[in-house]
Amino acid sequence: QSALTQPASVSGSPGQSITISCTGTSSDVGSYNLVSWYQQHPGKAPKLMIYEVSKRPSGVSNRFSGSKSGNTASLTISGLQAEDEADYYCCSYAGSSTYVVFGGGTKLTVL
Amino acid sequence: EVQLVESGGGLVQPGGSLRLSCAASGFTVSSNYMSWVRQAPGKGLEWVSVIYSGGSTYYADSVKGRFTISRDNSKNTLYLQMNSLRAEDTAVYYCARDSIGSGSYYYWGQGTLVTVSS
Repeated sequence: QSALTQPASVSGSPGQSITISCTGTSSDVGSYNLVSWYQQHPGKAPKLMIYEVSKRPSGVSNRFSGSKSGNTASLTISGLQAEDEADYYCCSYAGSSTYVVFGGGTKLTVL
Repeated sequence: EVQLVESGGGLVQPGGSLRLSCAASGFTVSSNYMSWVRQAPGKGLEWVSVIYSGGSTYYADSVKGRFTISRDNSKNTLYLQMNSLRAEDTAVYYCARDSIGSGSYYYWGQGTLVTVSS
């Protein structure tokens, strides 16, 4: 049950685009199109931003998009806004018993 | 409106026990895949346990044999019984709903803090 690998931090200026990578293995990210992404502001519960690799829940801005290639998933945020500054976690389904594995988290700073 | 409200957290000594509750409203716990996810202070999210709609239960290796997930259908409430607690179990514990067993959690509770310390 090793955590998925994410960069510890990324940054960008307002209006720019950034991409956060999430690398797993053939047992999790590579095997299932069941990667989700969560946004977490300090002291708050996580919020689902992307599910099933690239789907957006109702109410989530279309500035957020997801993709996957092999064992690596990615979250792209376009048109960065100050309120996007938060921690972001990827998560992958990993089978019926392991269930899910999270990434270590990426701190996004909007400069 | 869907709501998840955790309770039961607090300070406990190493080796002690605690039972967390997650009261649900707006949906039926037994019809969903319900998980506990924890977050140690300043750290990332860690999946702890899941109970399937069919009743099967699974645990992270770090808590297997010490924690037990269960639900009370009459109370529409999810539980996490935590025994033999260790300092490394100190975290905010969230309950979360996964509607279809895909590992995507749309609904989360506000979390309850468990501190294991002497």
